[in-house]
Amino acid sequence: SAVISQKPSRDICQRGTSLTIQCQVDSQVTMMFWYRQQPGQSLTLIATANQGSEATYESGFVIDKFPISRPNLTFSTLTVSNMSPEDSSIYLCSVLGRGQETQYFGPGTRLLVL
Amino acid sequence: GEDVEQSLFLSVREGDSSVINCTYTDSSSTYLYWYKQEPGAGLQLLTYIFSNMDMKQDQRLTVLLNKKDKHLSLRIADTQTGDSAIYFCAESRNYGQNFVFGPGTRLSVLP
Repeated sequence: SAVISQKPSRDICQRGTSLTIQCQVDSQVTMMFWYRQQPGQSLTLIATANQGSEATYESGFVIDKFPISRPNLTFSTLTVSNMSPEDSSIYLCSVLGRGQETQYFGPGTRLLVL
Repeated sequence: GEDVEQSLFLSVREGDSSVINCTYTDSSSTYLYWYKQEPGAGLQLLTYIFSNMDMKQDQRLTVLLNKKDKHLSLRIADTQTGDSAIYFCAESRNYGQNFVFGPGTRLSVLP
């Protein structure tokens, strides 16, 4: 399995500001994913981040709101732009395992927007 | 579309077995997964099963898959207080990609 870290682990932000979340993996991986988990809810995929190409966004998520970078095979960032209280969620990154059979998740970033 | 359903709550006594159930609708699922989320933590992969298998056992965990009925279950033997968490069932159509998660089952283990 991969060891995944996220920064920050939690943050409280003001409405209208932006926050960039970092995801670091201890090995090179082809595919990284960003999910949102709203309070008391399940996980929803925001986008798939591939190195060297633009992220692929799921229905309901747009690049202007959630820009993603993937500069190399061990790192990705997700920015939550122009935040509103509805963006208060846990944001999780995950990576495709080496056998490409499963995903391993980071610890999550807990975001509260006031 | 794809849908994964689970009961939302389960309570068991310490030492008993827990059985968490999941149903899914996508007959083209390749793998099915169980993840555990403890309070304030990310998701921990517990186990997964390929869609052409019907059972997988790993220490206290037993996964049963009924592909005909699209039903997946996770049995935890000798449930401990440390097993209290939310358990998510997930299925993928494309090996490790295109995950669809269920709503999660909150397991409470009573002393």
